[in-house]
Parts: sequence; structure tokens; C-alpha cells
Amino acid sequence: DAGVIQSPRHEVTEMGQEVTLRCKPISGHNSLFWYRQTMMRGLELLIYFNNNVPIDDSGMPEDRFSAKMPNASFSTLKIQPSEPRDSAVYFCASSPPGEAYGYTFGSGTRLTVV
Amino acid sequence: GQNIDQPTEMTATEGAIVQINCTYQTSGFNGLFWYQQHAGEAPTFLSYNVLDGLEEKGRFSSFLSRSKGYSYLLLKELQMKDSASYLCAVRALGYQLIWGAGTKLIIKP
Repeated sequence: DAGVIQSPRHEVTEMGQEVTLRCKPISGHNSLFWYRQTMMRGLELLIYFNNNVPIDDSGMPEDRFSAKMPNASFSTLKIQPSEPRDSAVYFCASSPPGEAYGYTFGSGTRLTVV
Repeated sequence: GQNIDQPTEMTATEGAIVQINCTYQTSGFNGLFWYQQHAGEAPTFLSYNVLDGLEEKGRFSSFLSRSKGYSYLLLKELQMKDSASYLCAVRALGYQLIWGAGTKLIIKP
């Protein structure tokens, strides 16, 4: 089990550029979550997918953010155009069916927008 | 509203015992989780409580009282590597975990 795999680990981009973050959940996990973490706001849920379908995207900050899950083994989070305030660590997490299971987090992508 | 409170920071001595408290007010309850997060790393799962009582797992134990909306994480025989943030999270209704802001634990020699 390779765990949740995220790429890239670090991303530095200029304001206005498009940024795409990638995630491969653990095989057999049917729930996928995108989180953003900052010192000021802690962990914030951006979007939740269940069986590849977006269930709750109320945490997505604005139209600049979009997320897709075309199949059970891949998801992307896109920011276009990026802004300095988007600088944060973005985590992808997955969870198997059942309430007793917590989330397994990927290593995160540290995004810096200059 | 939904709310989870835990202390911002705690300091303890290597070899000692520390208790990190978490209180919650949520609409519904389907379990409480504790996660450990080292600086610059992802949160990792420590424990899960859904029934009242104490769950022991090696040097770490977690306690839950649903009637009081209260949990604690007990760390024994503290080691320097236990320096990390400890996050309390509650599964209220459905899928989503509601996260506390985390407690930064500093271990001194």
C-alpha cells in the first residue's frame, strides 16, 4: 500500500498562473477530500468526493478553484488564476467505506504564489 | 453551531505524562478522532473513540465522554519525537470531520 500520493510536493508560481495539484487515493477508498491548511485558519475542507462524484464543494473559496475526479484513482485541484492568498499546504485525503475509519492524508503540496 | 476546543500549546518534559483535552459541541456524533501532525508533514491517525471510555494503544490512550462532550489524549513516557501538533476531530453527521485547531506539544529534555 503506497498510501495517498500527491504531486507536486512543492510548487512556486507567479500570480495569475494556473496551478494543478494531483492526487491518487488509496485503492479501495471511496471517499476523497481536498483540504487546505494555513497557520491562520487550520485545516479547511475544500471539496469532498464519494464514488468519484462531488458531494460537497461548499468549501471551495471561489470560482477560481475547481476539482475533478474522472476515475477512482485520480483527482485534480486546479486554481486559475492563482493569487498570493492561495499560498498554503494543500492535502488530499482518502477514506474507505464505514464511519469507523478516519482519513489517510497524502504528504501535501506546499503552494507558494508570488 | 459546531465547535471543537483544544489548548493552543502545551509544554511537557521528556519521560513525563501529558494530557491533551478536547471539548466539542456538534450536531450529532459518530465518533472522535485524534491525529498527530509533525511540522511540515501530513496528519497521521492516532485513535478513534465512539463509545465512552478509555482506548489504550501503547504509550497513547484516548478517552471519551459523550455526555460531557469531552475527550482527552494521554501520552505516557514522553519522547522528543512526540513534539508535534495533536488534532482532535469529530464526525458529526455523515462524512465530514470537524477539526479542532490543534494543540502544539513541546517536549523539553
